[in-house]
Amino acid sequence: NAGVTQTPKFQVLKTGQSMTLQCAQDMNHEYMSWYRQDPGMGLRLIHYSVGAGITDQGEVPNGYNVSRSTTEDFPLRLLSAAPSQTSVYFCATFRGGYTFGSGTRLTVV
Amino acid sequence: DQQVKQNSPSLSVQEGRISILNCDYTNSMFDYFLWYKKYPAEGPTFLISISSIKDKNEDGRFTVFLNKSAKHLSLHIVPSQPGDSAVYFCAASPASIQGAQKLVFGQGTRLTINP
Repeated sequence: NAGVTQTPKFQVLKTGQSMTLQCAQDMNHEYMSWYRQDPGMGLRLIHYSVGAGITDQGEVPNGYNVSRSTTEDFPLRLLSAAPSQTSVYFCATFRGGYTFGSGTRLTVV
Repeated sequence: DQQVKQNSPSLSVQEGRISILNCDYTNSMFDYFLWYKKYPAEGPTFLISISSIKDKNEDGRFTVFLNKSAKHLSLHIVPSQPGDSAVYFCAASPASIQGAQKLVFGQGTRLTINP
């Protein structure tokens, strides 16, 4: 039982490049979400999903896309990376409480 | 507009003494409050919570106090141990399940316990 698994753990991108942050869970939780953590800002909600096929925007959705084709996976896509997207990204599931992944540290240069 | 604020970025406490972490909120709709602990290179983990119908909740060395009139909560750790050194996040949500799924986090306080 791995819980919430995020890959990669670290990534460096050039401005304008695209990439997908992967998130997988084996707890069969319907609700999944993506947060970003920035110094002095805490964790801010990017996108969330209440089940397969259903996604919605959080507090800071601009520049990010998500999809939810299965219960297990909730990838986060950056279509054209910008330096402002340098951050630590956390995927989480929710059932009565949050379970977070260990994070992806992304640097955009 | 920061709805949940942790005004102390860092706190240093001697081992064995009490650590007190503070959190203020502005949204009167918040009904449920949580504390998360985060070690470097790991995701946040749940520590303790409190609903607005209570003013205190204890779990071992950890106690959370809620003052609704002041829109203030605090986390007390006693006695503090070196393993408590981490970043602590305060979080809040409305009581509905939809609201609980969209926690609002404070900026975090880095607690360092000195031997």
